[in-house]
Amino acid sequence: AQSVAQPEDQVNVAEGNPLTVKCTYSVSGNPYLFWYVQYPNRGLQFLLKYITGDNLVKGSYGFEAEFNKSQTSFHLKKPSALVSDSALYFCAVRDDGGDSWGKLQFGAGTQVVVTP
Amino acid sequence: GAGVSQSPRYKVAKRGQDVALRCDPISGHVSLFWYQQALGQGPEFLTYFQNEAQLDKSGLPSDRFFAERPEGSVSTLKIQRTQQEDSAVYLCASSLGPGGLGNQPQHFGDGTRLSIL
Repeated sequence: AQSVAQPEDQVNVAEGNPLTVKCTYSVSGNPYLFWYVQYPNRGLQFLLKYITGDNLVKGSYGFEAEFNKSQTSFHLKKPSALVSDSALYFCAVRDDGGDSWGKLQFGAGTQVVVTP
Repeated sequence: GAGVSQSPRYKVAKRGQDVALRCDPISGHVSLFWYQQALGQGPEFLTYFQNEAQLDKSGLPSDRFFAERPEGSVSTLKIQRTQQEDSAVYLCASSLGPGGLGNQPQHFGDGTRLSIL
């Protein structure tokens, strides 16, 4: 069975400072990992994915994520946060079961608050 | 449009009524997923279509929930005899290829917020 954990309900950061949102995962096979962002009253917006290859994945809007197999983590990072980055962030793992058909299993989400 | 479109954006119904939620995926996308997002939670999988075939409905919470995609494009999620616990945001997502291809992201619509009184 696959699972994803986001240990922080909320992350507070000042504008211009580095932002990190934590995610750990548990999978039985190869991990397919995703980050999405959700603004109020909107759907989820794709940021980046890890399938295979380089452990540092670059995505949209200056975000990147570091895949760490030994720590089973996939933390989302941004070197310099903007007030407009304030939103709800979800880590997700693709269910790799035989009949899963690619459905995603999401973490509970982390609210990011960036203050001016 | 270029994205996934869902309608209505908001739906209020009385307990016991039937509701129908519509999803227009990105043109040409083979895979279509429905998720349910309760307040303060991450989305939970409901059902999956590959073209017109419903290949996975393991997440549907009860037999009051029914989904279809008859022509392999637009999909409708129907909830019969609604109950208060059905109140949630219902998200639709589509992806280009078959669901078994793990390297393709799912693109989400803005959802339908369903409130059952």
